[in-house]
Amino acid sequence: AQKITQTQPGMFVQEKEAVTLDCTYDTSDPSYGLFWYKQPSSGEMIFLIYQGSYDQQNATEGRYSLNFQKARKSANLVISASQLGDSAMYFCAMRGLNTNAGKSTFGDGTTLTVKP
Amino acid sequence: DTAVSQTPKYLVTQMGNDKSIKCEQNLGHDTMYWYKQDSKKFLKIMFSYNNKELIINETVPNRFSPKSPDKAHLNLHINSLELGDSAVYFCASSQDLGFEAFFGQGTRLTVV
Repeated sequence: AQKITQTQPGMFVQEKEAVTLDCTYDTSDPSYGLFWYKQPSSGEMIFLIYQGSYDQQNATEGRYSLNFQKARKSANLVISASQLGDSAMYFCAMRGLNTNAGKSTFGDGTTLTVKP
Repeated sequence: DTAVSQTPKYLVTQMGNDKSIKCEQNLGHDTMYWYKQDSKKFLKIMFSYNNKELIINETVPNRFSPKSPDKAHLNLHINSLELGDSAVYFCASSQDLGFEAFFGQGTRLTVV
């Protein structure tokens, strides 16, 4: 079974500050990928960042970084220097690569609001 | 040049009708997916196809049938539509299972 838990339904952050969105996961698959997606109010799903379960280093993509702690089964997204355009819903997701190959599971999402 | 395109973007139909949603990707990806997002924004995988083979079929009513004529296309056909089928349906593709998925713009299905 796979499960993604996002415990923060809503978050507020001041413009230009950093914010961490929490994500914990559970899986029996020995190999998996972890993803973060952004969904603005317009509805499209935008890929942000990926972390493979065997990657030693935390993934980074511009202002996004993924704080991967495998032993704690957490994959938090850190957004540095928040911008007004970062206001959106953020989804943490995982996909099995071995025993659950192809099975994707999404968290319930966190709505981030950036205040000017 | 749209990477993953779905048609139509909006679909309003009556209960009991049959409808199809088309999806095409021009990224050369081997894997395609269908997701359903309900009114509370919960996203759930419906189907995963890898090299035209169905590899994941979640607990979806058999009124939903995916069809992959080739690796670039994954269409979704829905028979006997019900009110509870109203949702946004996303098609997506990825290079392979271990890569990020690129999503289409979504099809908002409303059953009346």
